[in-house]
Formats: sequence, C-alpha cells, structure tokens
Amino acid sequence: GAVVSQHPSRVICKSGTSVKIECRSLDFQATTMFWYRQFPKKSLMLMATSNEGSKATYEQGVEKDKFLINHASLTLSTLTVTSAHPEDSSFYICSVEASTDTQYFGPGTRLTVL
Amino acid sequence: SQQGEEDPQALSIQEGENATMNCSYKTSINNLQWYRQNSGRGLVHLILIRSNEREKHSGRLRVTLDTSKKSSSLLITASRAADTASYFCATDRDSGYSTLTFGKGTMLLVSP
Repeated sequence: GAVVSQHPSRVICKSGTSVKIECRSLDFQATTMFWYRQFPKKSLMLMATSNEGSKATYEQGVEKDKFLINHASLTLSTLTVTSAHPEDSSFYICSVEASTDTQYFGPGTRLTVL
Repeated sequence: SQQGEEDPQALSIQEGENATMNCSYKTSINNLQWYRQNSGRGLVHLILIRSNEREKHSGRLRVTLDTSKKSSSLLITASRAADTASYFCATDRDSGYSTLTFGKGTMLLVSP
C-alpha cells in the first residue's frame, strides 16, 4: 500500500498561533487526500476532502477559515490550524485515496494548544 | 450522525480466546471496512467487505456483513497480546466517493 507520512508527529503551541501540518504521500500520486481529527478515545471525524489543484470540500460544521487546506501537488497536502485555541487540541490524521475503496492513513499529528 | 456504531466499547480477553466486535450502520453502503489503531498511532486497514458479500476471511480475521440488519461483525480468532488495539468499522457513503464514516470503535485488551 501507499506510504503516508505526517509532519510533525507532535506539536505544542500557544493559543493564538497558527500551526501547519503536512501530509505526504511518499510513493503514490494522490489526487485526493482526506483530513480527520480524533479526540481521545473517540472515533475519527472527517474534516475535509483535499483535492489536488482545487479547493477542499469541508464537512458540515468544519470552519474552512479555521482549518486551511492546501493540496498543491500530488504528494503533499497541508492543514493549517489558524489562531489555534485549546479546544483545537486533537489528533489529526490524513489519508490518501488510492482507489474508491482504499485509503492509506498517515501516522497522525498530536496537536496540543496551551 | 455517526454511521458506524461498534459494540462493545471495550473488550478484555485472555490470549488464545476469540474476540468478536460488532458494528451497526444506518444508511446503504457500497462496502464496509475494518481498521485497527494502536494507541496514539495511525490506522491500519484490516479488511474490506462489499455490500454483495456476506463473509470474508483474512488470516485470523473473519468479517461478516448482514445488509438486511445493517450490521457487521469482526472476529479475531486465537487472539494475541499484540492484537491489543482499538478497532473501528468504517462505511462509505454509497455516493460514488470514497469518504468514510467511522464508528466509535471497540478497545480490545488481550492479556497474556
């Protein structure tokens, strides 16, 4: 399967700052990537679908101006949490769409906002 | 609303025993997938079962799907301590896209 990396794996930031999380598809050209967030001991919730070269499609209730997604190449999508607040602390996971049936997931990024 | 709902929420067994987790969903699907997540890590795809399939096997894993009841089960046979993880079912939206909706997960603890 596709190898997906995320950077950073952990980040701690102060409230009000912006944080960028990278999702890279190392061996697969990904037209579509997905961003999820996961609260402790909870399930994954889809935040947005990231499409290469076009605007991301956000799920209902996800603020597009808060969570900026850029998918400028077939191997890289970035999620920027703008003006982060403690309630944005979460585990953010990206995935790469390999086919309509298959997604490969990154290892996740733990964001802690103080 | 959450599509997949697993039960039990937590399951504790001894090595060698079988573990069964169930998943229910609400709308029509193209396929249902099971994933595993070790604590604080990403997800690993375990198995996919299509809506026209009733049962599928992969190693020690056995998945069933009952579309009339909108439910699926994951059976792990002869469990090992290394199987300790959270297990999630995920359904697609039967809309031609591959977006997944995850259930709440079952936390499995296998004791040596």
